[in-house]
Amino acid sequence: DVVMTQSPLSLPVTLGQTASISCRSSQSLVYSDGNTYLNWYQQRPGQSPRRLIHQVSNRDPGVPDRFSGSGSGTDFTLRIYGVEAEDVGLYYCMQGTHWPQYTFGQGTKLEIK
Amino acid sequence: QVQLQESGPGLVKSSQTLSLTCTVSGDSITSGSFYWTWIRQPAGKGLEWIGRIYISGDSNYNPSLKSRVTMSIDTSNNQFSLDLSSVTAADTAVYYCARDACFNGVCRNGMDVWGQGTKVTVSS
Repeated sequence: DVVMTQSPLSLPVTLGQTASISCRSSQSLVYSDGNTYLNWYQQRPGQSPRRLIHQVSNRDPGVPDRFSGSGSGTDFTLRIYGVEAEDVGLYYCMQGTHWPQYTFGQGTKLEIK
Repeated sequence: QVQLQESGPGLVKSSQTLSLTCTVSGDSITSGSFYWTWIRQPAGKGLEWIGRIYISGDSNYNPSLKSRVTMSIDTSNNQFSLDLSSVTAADTAVYYCARDACFNGVCRNGMDVWGQGTKVTVSS
């Protein structure tokens, strides 16, 4: 089974600075169709998860452009430029390439210093 | 805009079956190409994908839960459901329903619309 490993698990960030979250998979996430099925989700305190990014770098509708996804193969990064107070919460990566299940990372808790 | 809402008992006794329903509003559950999905999250822990069901009845389940999970879809009421049998305290969690959209016949982009979640506690 593919394992998704995020780092760091806790990320204190100063307002206005850039936050970077890493996600590594135990196997390449390139699917047979050439696409890479790696998503990023945000979960604000007390709320449901919200998809921010799909297929590595495609922002979902309504997601601010300060959220940016990158990476390939087994190494992926979510960057948040100009962190705002509303960005506090948990961030999860998730793979959809390897079945029979979607697999999430452990989550990274972003907090304001 | 499509919305999802979970419903069901908040307390289930150990060894019994947990049953939840998700009502879809704002669009027909049969429109488009979607899998309808369940995910759970124990308190203070991460997300676990439980499984999903397509309008045709095709389903995929998490191998670790497969022996205890049944999903169904009710097009007349625009709902889909989750049954989880033989529950234990380890099944205590917030349960989310969600939509998983397919593109060009590929259904691997994960969940794009989520319900607000419902907390289920398994008691002994």
